[in-house]
Amino acid sequence: QKEVEQDPGPLSVPEGAIVSLNCTYSNSAFQYFMWYRQYSRKGPELLMYTYSSGNKEDGRFTAQVDKSSKYISLFIRDSQPSDSATYLCAMTPSDGDNFNKFYFGSGTKLNVKP
Amino acid sequence: DTAVSQTPKYLVTQMGNDKSIKCEQNLGHDTMYWYKQDSKKFLKIMFSYNNKELIINETVPNRFSPKSPDKAHLNLHINSLELGDSAVYFCASSLSGGQGSEQYFGPGTRLTVT
Repeated sequence: QKEVEQDPGPLSVPEGAIVSLNCTYSNSAFQYFMWYRQYSRKGPELLMYTYSSGNKEDGRFTAQVDKSSKYISLFIRDSQPSDSATYLCAMTPSDGDNFNKFYFGSGTKLNVKP
Repeated sequence: DTAVSQTPKYLVTQMGNDKSIKCEQNLGHDTMYWYKQDSKKFLKIMFSYNNKELIINETVPNRFSPKSPDKAHLNLHINSLELGDSAVYFCASSLSGGQGSEQYFGPGTRLTVT
């Protein structure tokens, strides 16, 4: 079993829809959570990061962490065709032997149709 | 003014050859990483260096040898290339490893072994 599980999609939505992207994880040591966006044939770019549980909002994007359920989400409001990309979640422990390691989900491919 | 750059962008070579990929970051970061992304978009860490010191060495065949001449550069040399080495290799850097330190990715090197 992978440390981080993410539905690969593809997820296809109409422009303006609210998108929900999710990851589950198994390691309770994970404390720091990130979402990356990766356009085709490009490197991942950091979108959001959160520490421990709670919500964080940045424009149309909201990141949510529920540590009790080992579940994180990224919500995109008023989705645009330019949001079409693969979204990867990533997480890392705050300390311990693996604190330098980032564990990535396999990515969810999102297509926003005009 | 590329933050994390990689060369070459594309690499096509035959089985058995030896090749190198170079990475440079101008962000003043202390930690650099090599990741392998397979066809299913799964990003797996291979190596990490902090101030020229190897801190993460995942279960990677010893045909792969990283080298960090200084903290702004991290190169990856691959001996005796195999078909299964075909993937996109990403370099990344962060201010420090672990908690609270976002990673910035390069554009990737698409390696095809024939």
